[in-house]
Amino acid sequence: AQSVTQLGSHVSVSEGALVLLRCNYSSSVPPYLFWYVQYPNQGLQLLLKYTSAATLVKGINGFEAEFKKSETSFHLTKPSAHMSDAAEYFCAVSDNTDKLIFGTGTRLQVFP
Amino acid sequence: NAGVTQTPKFRILKIGQSMTLQCTQDMNHNYMYWYRQDPGMGLKLIYYSVGAGITDKGEVPNGYNVSRSTTEDFPLRLELAAPSQTSVYFCASSWETSSSYNEQFFGPGTRLTVL
Repeated sequence: AQSVTQLGSHVSVSEGALVLLRCNYSSSVPPYLFWYVQYPNQGLQLLLKYTSAATLVKGINGFEAEFKKSETSFHLTKPSAHMSDAAEYFCAVSDNTDKLIFGTGTRLQVFP
Repeated sequence: NAGVTQTPKFRILKIGQSMTLQCTQDMNHNYMYWYRQDPGMGLKLIYYSVGAGITDKGEVPNGYNVSRSTTEDFPLRLELAAPSQTSVYFCASSWETSSSYNEQFFGPGTRLTVL
C-alpha cells in the first residue's frame, strides 16, 4: 500500500528565510505526488504536482518541489518565506485508482 | 464557476441525530470524494464515486452513507451521530481519467460537532 510521511508537524521560520517541508513516500509503482495548501478555515488548494515529466516541479506562490527517487522524497521548498505562507501543507500520493493518500500535514508558522 | 460548494458550513448535532451534508460541483467532474479531517491525522477518505449511480467505500466508511443520483451532487448522510464523528468534512471532485495525476478540487468544508 502506498503512504506518505511528513516529518515535522510544525515548522517555524522567520520572514525571508528558506522554507523546507519534508515528504517521503512509499510506493511499489511510479507515484504521482502532490502538495496541497490549506489556509485557515478553508479547503485544500493544489500547490504543485509531480507526474514524471520533470523531477523539479514549480508551483504557485514561489514554491517548488524536487522528486528524488533514490531518496523516495518530494520535499517542498521556497527560497524566501512570506507572512502569507502561514498555512498547513499536505503531501499526497496517488495509488493509481484516482484516490489520494494524504500525509498528516505540516503547519508552517512565519514570524516577522 | 462556483467549483465545489458544501452546505452547511457549521452544524452542531446531538448524539443519535441524523443529518445530510450537501456537496455540489459545477465542473462536470465524474469523480467525487468525501474526506474527514481530524487534528494531526490528515485527511481520511470516507466514500468516493466514479460516476452517477456508482459509489464505493474509502478508508473510514463506518457510520456514513452516500448516494450519487446526478453528476453534480454527492450528499453524505450520518444516520446516528456519535461524538467520534466530530470533525471537519471536505468534499472534492476530479476529472475522470485513465491515469491518476489529476488534481482534486476541494470545497470549503463543513465543521460538525456532535455533543
